[in-house]
Amino acid sequence: ILNVEQSPQSLHVQEGDSTNFTCSFPSSNFYALHWYRWETAKSPEALFVMTLNGDEKKKGRISATLNTKEGYSYLYIKGSQPEDSATYLCAFRGSGNTPLVFGKGTRLSVIA
Amino acid sequence: GAGVSQSPSNKVTEKGKDVELRCDPISGHTALYWYRQRLGQGLEFLIYFQGNSAPDKSGLPSDRFSAERTGESVSTLTIQRTQQEDSAVYLCASSLYPRQFSYEQYFGPGTRLTVT
Repeated sequence: ILNVEQSPQSLHVQEGDSTNFTCSFPSSNFYALHWYRWETAKSPEALFVMTLNGDEKKKGRISATLNTKEGYSYLYIKGSQPEDSATYLCAFRGSGNTPLVFGKGTRLSVIA
Repeated sequence: GAGVSQSPSNKVTEKGKDVELRCDPISGHTALYWYRQRLGQGLEFLIYFQGNSAPDKSGLPSDRFSAERTGESVSTLTIQRTQQEDSAVYLCASSLYPRQFSYEQYFGPGTRLTVT
């Protein structure tokens, strides 16, 4: 059974703070790592698809890094805003025609 | 353009009843996925459709669950004789290419199912 772990489970930060959280996944048979943002009452929204060890992707104030050898990815948010409040999901794709395996998510609350 | 839509948005049903959930994928998307998220759990894969190929049903938790998709259009997920443990948010997603190419999946807003 594949295990995708996200930490912390939840966190509260003040507006303007920078924050980061972790996704851990199997280091063998890696194919891709996806990050999604899921706001309450909305659809999960794709942030990044990462495939190469050492990859770093950025979208506005949000960026992500990938280490496939040790099996982790970090998501960073610089200068958090209240609108960043959401659950951030990562999902691991192994090689072959296999389904995404999701972590339980990190719930971020940004306090104004 | 229009995104993935799902209906109903909320469904409350009595234990033992059958329910049918609907998903309209993005037009032209060949791949369609069903997931569910039970309270305190991660998103759990249920079933995957790719074009006219046989679906991957490996994630369906029991034979009370079934799903259909005609071509590259609408899909329905049916749960027979619902149980309380079926209570969850059921999400549908679609993508332009088959999943082995790891393209983004576009999610619908989900159906929140509550079994009383």
